[in-house]
Amino acid sequence: AQSVTQLGSHVSVSEGALVLLRCNYSSSVPPYLFWYVQYPNQGLQLLLKYTSAATLVKGINGFEAEFKKSETSFHLTKPSAHMSDAAEYFCAARGGSQGNLIFGKGTKLSVKP
Amino acid sequence: DAGITQSPRYKITETGRQVTLMCHQTWSHSYMFWYRQDLGHGLRLIYYSAAADITDKGEVPDGYVVSRSKTENFPLTLESATRSQTSVYFCASSGGQGQYGYTFGSGTRLTVV
Repeated sequence: AQSVTQLGSHVSVSEGALVLLRCNYSSSVPPYLFWYVQYPNQGLQLLLKYTSAATLVKGINGFEAEFKKSETSFHLTKPSAHMSDAAEYFCAARGGSQGNLIFGKGTKLSVKP
Repeated sequence: DAGITQSPRYKITETGRQVTLMCHQTWSHSYMFWYRQDLGHGLRLIYYSAAADITDKGEVPDGYVVSRSKTENFPLTLESATRSQTSVYFCASSGGQGQYGYTFGSGTRLTVV
């Protein structure tokens, strides 16, 4: 069965530092992959998605992710963290024939001044 | 306004009562989904629907019922609420099987006392 693993439930970085949030997926077929961000008491906002086009995907707010099939990874990066990036981030993959999203358990990003 | 809306935003109910959470989308998307979000579990699929009158169980369907008589509406009913159903519930829709992305509602925070 499809699964998504996010390494690290909490990540803390200093303002201006590189943000790296890790995501690995398991799939026997080329996946559609997504990163969502959730701010406190809010819904999920799409950051970016990979749907079998370019392997380096650019999203909103300066985030990008690279699809690496050989590593079954889809890590999220941002060159310079901002205080406003503090939130929870979810990696997700489209599940099999149901067409639904399967989520990782989330990574809470803290940004220190 | 175009989009996906959930109601109510917050709900407190008593154990054993029936409660219905509403979801309405204005894009005529074929696919709709209900997820619950719990600490430590991320988002888990409750039910999904591929079209009007077509619904199927997800990962955690017990205690829930759905219907989809119209494409735009996908209500979720808790037949007899239990404390374990205290959660945040998200509705989502997709125009295809993920290639166009998934859009989420703002969520319903349900507390069962």
